[in-house]
Amino acid sequence: DAGVIQSPRHEVTEMGQEVTLRCKPISGHNSLFWYRQTMMRGLELLIYFNNNVPIDDSGMPEDRFSAKMPNASFSTLKIQPSEPRDSAVYFCASSLGDRHTGELFFGEGSRLTVL
Amino acid sequence: QKEVEQDPGPLSVPEGAIVSLNCTYSNSAFQYFMWYRQYSRKGPELLMYTYSSGNKEDGRFTAQVDKSSKYISLFIRDSQPSDSATYLCAPRSNTGKLIFGQGTTLQVKP
Repeated sequence: DAGVIQSPRHEVTEMGQEVTLRCKPISGHNSLFWYRQTMMRGLELLIYFNNNVPIDDSGMPEDRFSAKMPNASFSTLKIQPSEPRDSAVYFCASSLGDRHTGELFFGEGSRLTVL
Repeated sequence: QKEVEQDPGPLSVPEGAIVSLNCTYSNSAFQYFMWYRQYSRKGPELLMYTYSSGNKEDGRFTAQVDKSSKYISLFIRDSQPSDSATYLCAPRSNTGKLIFGQGTTLQVKP
């Protein structure tokens, strides 16, 4: 199994630009999570999907952030417009089950730098 | 106050040392307690988990939970350079959400 696949691995952009991060979960997993990791705040849950439906988006910082999951094998996290404080590593994770079972499988992350 | 507190370190030990990594938490409703390991520039991966209070051993690793003091520990025996990573504790809330600690960075020197 290829695991959770994220792209791009690295993104450098300028303030005000739109950023789209992509994720392909492990085949057969029905829950998908987007996390953000920074030195200051650690690993924070942004949004959680179950069976392609957003269940908990309370961690999405503001309206500039949006996430979609059009089908079971693809999700996007979009930031528009981007700001320097959005610089972080964004992780996608998937799991099997309708709640956090505890065993999340993480991708390798997308490192975002907003200048 | 954060729900989960973890000293970020870094912690540096010689090869073969016993390592103790710790977290405290504030929510007495937590029942499952996970430890994730994250190598540099990689995603976290589940190392082990315990349910409620008590110990759980897996090879050189022992996870311990003391619910009376809301204290979580991970012990590594005979530490190896390959154990150098960031260790994140992650209790699971009663809504099923994982609450990650800040992570402790461990370096094991040969």
